[in-house]
Amino acid sequence: GQSLEQPSEVTAVEGAIVQINCTYQTSGFYGLSWYQQHDGGAPTFLSYNALDGLEETGRFSSFLSRSDSYGYLLLQELQMKDSASYFCAVRGPNNAGNMLTFGGGTRLMVKP
Amino acid sequence: ETGVTQSPTHLIKTRGQQVTLRCSSQSGHNTVSWYQQALGQGPQFIFQYYREEENGRGNFPPRFSGLQFPNYSSELNVNALELDDSALYLCAFEGQMVADTQYFGPGTRLTVL
Repeated sequence: GQSLEQPSEVTAVEGAIVQINCTYQTSGFYGLSWYQQHDGGAPTFLSYNALDGLEETGRFSSFLSRSDSYGYLLLQELQMKDSASYFCAVRGPNNAGNMLTFGGGTRLMVKP
Repeated sequence: ETGVTQSPTHLIKTRGQQVTLRCSSQSGHNTVSWYQQALGQGPQFIFQYYREEENGRGNFPPRFSGLQFPNYSSELNVNALELDDSALYLCAFEGQMVADTQYFGPGTRLTVL
């Protein structure tokens, strides 16, 4: 089966850089996704890594190391609006497309 | 905006009752997934429908069932509600441009008393 581990909470100050780590165990790996969810809102897609390396999208970057079963989300120039929960996810539980298994989420608190 | 809508937004039921939640997409994607998200946890996959047939199921009992209609809208039905069914229920349609992308609706918050 699939399982993902993330820190439960991270705190950082406005303008800083924060890294949210994710380690995973899967029966078959296709890629690692990241989603953002504000309180009371829906998860929204941030990024996807299928191959090793760094993917950059504006202030957000995501990294994957398949040999280490590890990835991270990097948020730069933090803004107050970045306060949210962040989830890593892999395909599963059936390794079929578009069915995701999520980690427990990391709650990011950005302070002034 | 994802163009995915869900109704109702909030619902309160009592143990043993039955509930139907609804989901639709402006874009008419043919694959819809349902997730349950308990407070403070990540979404958990319930099942997926593709062209009106169940296409995969997570670790949920048979009292969780669904339907998908020809216009690709979908329903989630839960029978014999239990207190632990209290959660945010999310539906999601597949993304077209990036693998493993799902576009989520705003969810239905179900409270079972």
